[in-house]
Amino acid sequence: RKEVEQDPGPFNVPEGATVAFNCTYSNSASQSFFWYRQDCRKEPKLLMSVYSSGNEDGRFTAQLNRASQYISLLIRDSKLSDSATYLCVVGYFGNEKLTFGTGTRLTIIP
Amino acid sequence: GAGVSQTPSNKVTEKGKYVELRCDPISGHTALYWYRQSLGQGPEFLIYFQGTGAADDSGLPNDRFFAVRPEGSVSTLKIQRTERGDSAMYLCASSLSGSGSQQDTQYFGPGTRLTVL
Repeated sequence: RKEVEQDPGPFNVPEGATVAFNCTYSNSASQSFFWYRQDCRKEPKLLMSVYSSGNEDGRFTAQLNRASQYISLLIRDSKLSDSATYLCVVGYFGNEKLTFGTGTRLTIIP
Repeated sequence: GAGVSQTPSNKVTEKGKYVELRCDPISGHTALYWYRQSLGQGPEFLIYFQGTGAADDSGLPNDRFFAVRPEGSVSTLKIQRTERGDSAMYLCASSLSGSGSQQDTQYFGPGTRLTVL
């Protein structure tokens, strides 16, 4: 079983719609959680960190459920520019490496 | 300010050859990481440096892979006797402290796309 699992998609969503991704992680000792965004043939870039209390940044909302070991990302009022691959990322306290999921590919359709 | 830079952006080599990939981290960042990303996969950890020393090299796939960071800034990933399976995007990242905390963001460079023929 992979340490971080995501539905690879693709998700094809009309512009303006709301889309949600989930991700599960297997190591209960995980301490830090992130969503990274990766455009085609580009490097990953931090979209947002995910905190236990949940956090929001504009149209993006991230949630963490430690009991069920899953992380979610919600994108409201999707834009064409949101088309990208979204990587779920987990880190462990005292262990600086990040573990990435395979990514979920999102395409926003005009 | 300048981000993480990597050279070359593309490298094509023949099976059995030796290659070096360079990473120049963000100025002042003490932590440096190498990851490898194959098509359709997320990045996979290779090695992490804190200053000049390799603090965790558990992701290096075998002894053909080696990395150095002699002055605590620029790092070089070295691959000996390359194999076709080594073809991938090699990504370098740096962070301010390498604390592993939620706030210690890893910033990625544009990567080197390695193709072994």
